[in-house]
Amino acid sequence: EAGVAQSPRYKIIEKRQSVAFWCNPISGHATLYWYQQILGQGPKLLIQFQNNGVVDDSQLPKDRFSAERLKGVDSTLKIQPAKLEDSAVYLCASSEGQGAQQPQHFGDGTRLSIL
Amino acid sequence: DAKTTQPPSMDCAEGRAANLPCNHSTISGNEYVYWYRQIHSQGPQYIIHGLKNNETNEMASLIITEDRKSSTLILPHATLRDTAVYYCIARSYSNNDMRFGAGTRLTVKP
Repeated sequence: EAGVAQSPRYKIIEKRQSVAFWCNPISGHATLYWYQQILGQGPKLLIQFQNNGVVDDSQLPKDRFSAERLKGVDSTLKIQPAKLEDSAVYLCASSEGQGAQQPQHFGDGTRLSIL
Repeated sequence: DAKTTQPPSMDCAEGRAANLPCNHSTISGNEYVYWYRQIHSQGPQYIIHGLKNNETNEMASLIITEDRKSSTLILPHATLRDTAVYYCIARSYSNNDMRFGAGTRLTVKP
């Protein structure tokens, strides 16, 4: 089966600019996650969707980050305006459903560099 | 979620079994043990998970001690392509957050 697709793979912007990332989960997966991975650290959850509804966005910096999954399939994550500390890899993951027994499957991420 | 402790690095000879330990002494009864690995410039790859029983799939085996306070991931015949950072995660049934620690950097040597 096809894995989680993300684009772009790399993005370089200047601080205070805006940027958007796109994710297409594994077909049929109802749950979608966005993670932020800073260099040398493990991924950190930003937001979780169940179909097109937000389940958990407690760790999303809502003053600058937003995410949507309008039709319950693809998702976009936006940063506006970007700060230097947002330099990281943004990973999308999906699972068949909620629950700890459902493995999450990750895409290869978008590497964001802020100048 | 319980905190996990892993050695920062390990080496393994190509073709030999790689045994990666993980300590999760505060794990609760409803927390699953998950293993992922991450190869440079790629996203984390799911390997295996278990609750109480030992598990085996085409990639690896997971051995969980009877008291569930520790586990071992076994790659039976390590290859150079198994060189990666391996993450052990204790994941609560009620919590979808995968809380990654620092992991173990496994280097498979020829």
